Amino acid sequence: AQSVTQPDIHITVSEGASLELRCNYSYGATPYLFWYVQSPGQGLQLLLKYFSGDTLVQGIKGFEAEFKRSQSSFNLRKPSVHWSDAAEYFCAVENEKLTFGTGTRLTIIP
Amino acid sequence: DAMVIQNPRYQVTQFGKPVTLSCSQTLNHNVMYWYQQKSSQAPKLLFHYYDKDFNNEADTPDNFQSRRPNTSFCFLDIRSPGLGDAAMYLCATSGNGGSYEQYFGPGTRLTVT
Repeated sequence: AQSVTQPDIHITVSEGASLELRCNYSYGATPYLFWYVQSPGQGLQLLLKYFSGDTLVQGIKGFEAEFKRSQSSFNLRKPSVHWSDAAEYFCAVENEKLTFGTGTRLTIIP
Repeated sequence: DAMVIQNPRYQVTQFGKPVTLSCSQTLNHNVMYWYQQKSSQAPKLLFHYYDKDFNNEADTPDNFQSRRPNTSFCFLDIRSPGLGDAAMYLCATSGNGGSYEQYFGPGTRLTVT
């Protein structure tokens, strides 16, 4: 069965600093991978997705993610975070249905 | 703008009193999903419709039911809410063409008193 692991429950970074959120997946074939962001009390918004092709994918709000098959990872990155990036981030893998990781809460400090 | 709409955004119900949450979409997507998300947890899929075909997750309690009268609307019925059913309920849609991207509504926060 597919599964997604987000090892970091909570990350705090300073505004303007770089960010990397980790995601590891377990899936037998080439996965469809997603990163979603959820602001408090809101639904989920898709940041980016990987289906095939270029392993570095660009998303909205300046985010990017890199698919590394050898490491079964799909880490999310941003070179410089803004206070508005504070939210919960979910990695997900799709195989007939979305399986989410447990999420990483991002806090931004001034 | 095409979107997924959920009403109400906040719902308070009493223990054991049936409640219905609604979702509508203007995306004309053929798949609609209902997720339950408890505090600080990942969304958990309850069921989904592929057109009119209903697909229930194996561990979804019988207390949860759903209706999809047409392409645009989907309802979540909780027949006898318990305190453990207090959660955010998220509706999502996805379309044809091999896209697995799901579009989420803003959610309905259910409180059970």
